[in-house]
Amino acid sequence: KAGVTQTPRYLIKTRGQQVTLSCSPISGHRSVSWYQQTPGQGLQFLFEYFSETQRNKGNFPGRFSGRQFSNSRSEMNVSTLELGDSALYLCASSDERQGNVYGYTFGSGTRLTVV
Amino acid sequence: AQSVTQLGSHVSVSEGALVLLRCNYSSSVPPYLFWYVQYPNQGLQLLLKYTSAATLVKGINGFEAEFKKSETSFHLTKPSAHMSDAAEYFCAVSRSGGNKLTFGTGTQLKVEL
Repeated sequence: KAGVTQTPRYLIKTRGQQVTLSCSPISGHRSVSWYQQTPGQGLQFLFEYFSETQRNKGNFPGRFSGRQFSNSRSEMNVSTLELGDSALYLCASSDERQGNVYGYTFGSGTRLTVV
Repeated sequence: AQSVTQLGSHVSVSEGALVLLRCNYSSSVPPYLFWYVQYPNQGLQLLLKYTSAATLVKGINGFEAEFKKSETSFHLTKPSAHMSDAAEYFCAVSRSGGNKLTFGTGTQLKVEL
């Protein structure tokens, strides 16, 4: 069974640009969550999608958005990039409405560098 | 609001020694608790999870954790450290009905010969 796939693995963007990151969950998983990891703030929850609907949202500005497609693949978008957006962005998937019980499987992440 | 506190941002042990990584949680409702490990330039790998079925939880790679409600703790242990255990470990909490993990600040484990 293939794991959670995130593309691209590395990305360099310029301030003011926008970026789209992709996440393909484990086959059959319908819940996809996104997290931002930085040395200063640690791991922070961005948002979670289940069956194409956003169910939870973290405390991030509106520049951060996401969506989920009918095949459960998810994308997140960051517009008007700032230097502080440089981070490892992690995607996690789970196979039930309550990932608590079954656990969350993380991808290897996308390393975004904003210059 | 839920939170977890990991005591000790860096822990160093000798190979073969006991590993003890501390995690205390704060939750107004029965929590779901997790331990994850992260190797350099990789994502998070689930070590074990507590979902109220048993207070002593066994995970992968010889790790285990005990849920102690009276102490609001969920410490991670391994009887004998191996060089391959060197990584960063994160404790996380979630609430029933939610799919949002709140992570601790992480503990970097160093294993020395």
